[in-house]
Amino acid sequence: QKEVEQNSGPLSVPEGAIASLNCTYSDRGSQSFFWYRQYSGKSPELIMSIYSNGDKEDGRFTAQLNKASQYVSLLIRDSQPSDSATYLCAVNTNAGKSTFGDGTTLTVKP
Amino acid sequence: ETGVTQTPRHLVMGMTNKKSLKCEQHLGHNAMYWYKQSAKKPLELMFVYNFKEQTENNSVPSRFSPECPNSSHLFLHLHTLQPEDSALYLCASSQGDSRAVTEAFFGQGTRLTVV
Repeated sequence: QKEVEQNSGPLSVPEGAIASLNCTYSDRGSQSFFWYRQYSGKSPELIMSIYSNGDKEDGRFTAQLNKASQYVSLLIRDSQPSDSATYLCAVNTNAGKSTFGDGTTLTVKP
Repeated sequence: ETGVTQTPRHLVMGMTNKKSLKCEQHLGHNAMYWYKQSAKKPLELMFVYNFKEQTENNSVPSRFSPECPNSSHLFLHLHTLQPEDSALYLCASSQGDSRAVTEAFFGQGTRLTVV
């Protein structure tokens, strides 16, 4: 079992729709959870961080964390073509490192 | 200077060459990382340094040799590489220790081509 698993892509949504990206992790002791966006040929950039159960909203982005289910998700409302990228879920374990998922590629079609 | 800076941005080297990648962070972080990202593949963690001490080496071949002289600088020395080592090499830094690590900030990467 991978330490961090993301739903396999690619994911395609029409412009204006909600894009839902999912991630599960195996280490129950994980404390910090992050979503990164990576455009083709570029380095990952942090878009959301979440540390406690529940929802965290930032503009069009909402991160959801459920530690009991070991599940973290990212919702993108009113998706735009500029949101087309690969989204990486990262989990920081008590071992002191960031473990990344394989990423989900999102395409938003105009 | 801001964030995490990597040099060079692009590097083409022969299989018998020796070169080094440099990473510098201006964020006051104590942890630095090297990642490899091959085309259409996920990020692979290579090395982790925390307070200049190597805390992780993910079975990386010895032709890759990291060096961390202080918490702000990280090098990756390359020698006798293979064509399959061609990839985007990303440096990142974060703050924290074994109990909690904050988000990672990435440099722009070095696009390496081995010919």
